[in-house]
Amino acid sequence: IVLTQSPGTLSLTPGDSATLSCRASQSISTSYLAWYLQTPGQAPRLLIYGASYRATGIPDRFSGSGSGTDFTLTISGLEPEDFAVYYCQVYVVSPPGITFGQGTRLDIK
Amino acid sequence: EVHLVESGGVVVHPGGSLRLSCAASGFIFDDFVMHWVRQSPGKGLEWVSLISWDSSYTYYVDSVKGRFTVSRDNSKSSLYLQLDSLRSEDTALYHCVKGAYRNTGFYGLASWGPGTLVTVSS
Repeated sequence: IVLTQSPGTLSLTPGDSATLSCRASQSISTSYLAWYLQTPGQAPRLLIYGASYRATGIPDRFSGSGSGTDFTLTISGLEPEDFAVYYCQVYVVSPPGITFGQGTRLDIK
Repeated sequence: EVHLVESGGVVVHPGGSLRLSCAASGFIFDDFVMHWVRQSPGKGLEWVSLISWDSSYTYYVDSVKGRFTVSRDNSKSSLYLQLDSLRSEDTALYHCVKGAYRNTGFYGLASWGPGTLVTVSS
């Protein structure tokens, strides 16, 4: 399964809303779709699992949606700490493995 | 609190070998699948390998099959990755990552170590 994220770079202002897309090369279960945020010099941080469930401690301005091959991460009211790189990821059951998208960079405009 | 700390990253020549280690604490290591995920400098994330909680199965990304071997020692709460026949494209920061509890499904990768840097260069 190949995950394609768009756009590659998104330039917005704090307070704006951001919509990030992740498209799979074949239909996947929502159970196995996750989103991560990575800031420079840090390990990735889990934001969303099961396509729409926020991980522990993640603020409600982050929301995930989608099904089949098209998934979306929405960030409402961007905070300065949200400007980072975002990855979507799918877990494949058989044979077990993980694939990441290439990432979307969210920059301050 | 989950704590994962990798070690063993060094500069190595193409064709060389090394072993990475990950010390885990803050959870019952024996009960969890563990993963290795790498990130080449300035690039994206690439999943490398996983091992079941009881070492009964292991899986690898195609690019490392036959060259890398994942293992674990539950008595020491430690995860390992043996890297052989190294290539320049294996240069990356290697993260140890806590996976799912036994066979309960997948709920994302919530706990990551800071990583250890492997540089393959002549």
